[in-house]
Amino acid sequence: AQKITQTQPGMFVQEKEAVTLDCTYDTSDQSYGLFWYKQPSSGEMIFLIYQGSYDEQNATEGRYSLNFQKARKSANLVISASQLGDSAMYFCASLSNFGNEKLTFGTGTRLTIIP
Amino acid sequence: GAVVSQHPSRVICKSGTSVKIECRSLDFQATTMFWYRQFPKKSLMLMATSNEGSKATYEQGVEKDKFLINHASLTLSTLTVTSAHPEDSSFYICSASYRPNTEAFFGQGTRLTVV
Repeated sequence: AQKITQTQPGMFVQEKEAVTLDCTYDTSDQSYGLFWYKQPSSGEMIFLIYQGSYDEQNATEGRYSLNFQKARKSANLVISASQLGDSAMYFCASLSNFGNEKLTFGTGTRLTIIP
Repeated sequence: GAVVSQHPSRVICKSGTSVKIECRSLDFQATTMFWYRQFPKKSLMLMATSNEGSKATYEQGVEKDKFLINHASLTLSTLTVTSAHPEDSSFYICSASYRPNTEAFFGQGTRLTVV
């Protein structure tokens, strides 16, 4: 079974600063995928970034980057130059069975950007 | 990115009635869709996997007779909450992927309130 751990229930960050959201995972799969999603107060889930277990380079998407440390089983999300609109819940997720697309989610981190 | 539409976004119903929630992939075909439930300030819980043309696969602890899932076509899956009770009040969200092992696209979610 897959397990995702997000140890930061809430974070407050000053606008324009960088922020790192922690995520560790536990899996016995050799091949897996890791995802980050953003959930604003409206409830929708927005895909941010994806990292495959065999990807040698850390994934980046605009202001988002994923600090993937395979040996430590961590997949931290880094948001550079934070903006007020970044305030939301952030979920880390892993692919349960490769090819079956079932996602296992962490409990999430509520990020609040302070002006 | 791919678009998944979920309807309705909010619904209030009386205890004992049934409610149907639709999940549509608008610009791609999804042989598999997923239904999640989110409790306040908690993570998403996978309820079931909806497979086009076959019976849904339910996660342990999810009542099949209460949460009826029908995947009638490659672009539509429905979740029916039967004989709803106040404890069924929650945020329900669906997701679909158009390719295996890639990001899942989520619907906007449905806030169900049973009174």
